[in-house]
Amino acid sequence: AQKVTQAQTEISVVEKEDVTLDCVYETRDTTYYLFWYKQPPSGELVFLIRRNSFDEQNEISGRYSWNFQKSTSSFNFTITASQVVDSAVYFCALSARNTNAGKSTFGDGTTLTVKP
Amino acid sequence: DAGVTQSPTHLIKTRGQHVTLRCSPISGHKSVSWYQQVLGQGPQFIFQYYEKEERGRGNFPDRFSARQFPNYSSELNVNALLLGDSALYLCASSPDLTGPIGSPLHFGNGTRLTVT
Repeated sequence: AQKVTQAQTEISVVEKEDVTLDCVYETRDTTYYLFWYKQPPSGELVFLIRRNSFDEQNEISGRYSWNFQKSTSSFNFTITASQVVDSAVYFCALSARNTNAGKSTFGDGTTLTVKP
Repeated sequence: DAGVTQSPTHLIKTRGQHVTLRCSPISGHKSVSWYQQVLGQGPQFIFQYYEKEERGRGNFPDRFSARQFPNYSSELNVNALLLGDSALYLCASSPDLTGPIGSPLHFGNGTRLTVT
């Protein structure tokens, strides 16, 4: 069985602060993908970043960066210099080889509020 | 290009009634997945369809059914509605089934179903 845990239910920061969203996952598969999605108040989930289980190299994309550590089954997501428009619910998701992305398992989300 | 479109956007039904939700995937996408998102939780996988065939089913009762049409659009049907079926129903499309499992999902804005 697959499981994704986002222990932080709500986070509030002031604009321009950096914020890290935590994600811990469980899977028996050795081949899997991890995703972060953003859900603004409009409801549509928007794909942000993706990482496969064979690539632990951490990357930066604009204001987004992520830290993938297989040893601790964690896939944390950081927003640098947060902006008010970053306010949304953020979901971590897992897709394993024996399934596919259409059957992703999602965490319960972290609500991020960025105050001006 | 149009994204994933869902209709209707909002729906109010009474317990025991039946509901049909509709989804049109992104042009060229052949896989459609349905998710149920209860308030305060992450999306839960219901169905995946590819080339008009069911390719996966989540842990939902038989009251839930779906189908995919030759143009790859899809319908989700729920019979004998219960209060607990009140949720945001999200449709997501992806290019194919057998492609890289890391293909991100492209979500619609969802249908907000309220059962009274």
